[in-house]
Amino acid sequence: AQTVTQSQPEMSVQEAETVTLSCTYDTSESDYYLFWYKQPPSRQMILVIRQEAYKQQNATENRFSVNFQKAAKSFSLKISDSQLGDAAMYFCAYRLIIQGAQKLVFGQGTRLTINP
Amino acid sequence: DTGVSQNPRHKITKRGQNVTFRCDPISEHNRLYWYRQTLGQGPEFLTYFQNEAQLEKSRLLSDRFSAERPKGSFSTLEIQRTEQGDSAMYLCASSYYTGELFFGEGSRLTVL
Repeated sequence: AQTVTQSQPEMSVQEAETVTLSCTYDTSESDYYLFWYKQPPSRQMILVIRQEAYKQQNATENRFSVNFQKAAKSFSLKISDSQLGDAAMYFCAYRLIIQGAQKLVFGQGTRLTINP
Repeated sequence: DTGVSQNPRHKITKRGQNVTFRCDPISEHNRLYWYRQTLGQGPEFLTYFQNEAQLEKSRLLSDRFSAERPKGSFSTLEIQRTEQGDSAMYLCASSYYTGELFFGEGSRLTVL
């Protein structure tokens, strides 16, 4: 069974600094998608960045980038130039496609605090 | 606002009562999902609709839970005879086929 593990329940960073959130996963599949989602307090979960496993190049979205290590089954998120609005729960997720349904398997989450 | 809408946002009920949550997906999305998120955990998949057909149900969805999506539009999730263990955030999400999943803000259930 696919599992996703986030070993950092909480992280904090000074505004404008860089922070890296860790995620490891387990799967026997060779082609899959990985995601990072952001969940601000009392707000909906939004997609931050996605990575397709067959692509060797790490995904980047503005200040957000990933370090995808397929052999190690590691998928970390780097946030550069942290801003106060980045404060949120961050979830790493693995996507399964079963009978046309895309089922996301989420990690436990990392609460990110930005210190002004 | 053309995002995924969920109502009510918060429901407090006594153990044994029935509750119903509603989800209005993004209009052109043909796939709708329900997830449950307990405190301090990531969301867990509950069930999935393709148009009006419920095609997948998790083992987490006991017989007290029922979901519908009449006419392939909005969806309802009903919990009968609520238990304290049902207290959680119930998230709805929708997508166009296997495209990006868009989540609603969730419906928080507190069972006293």
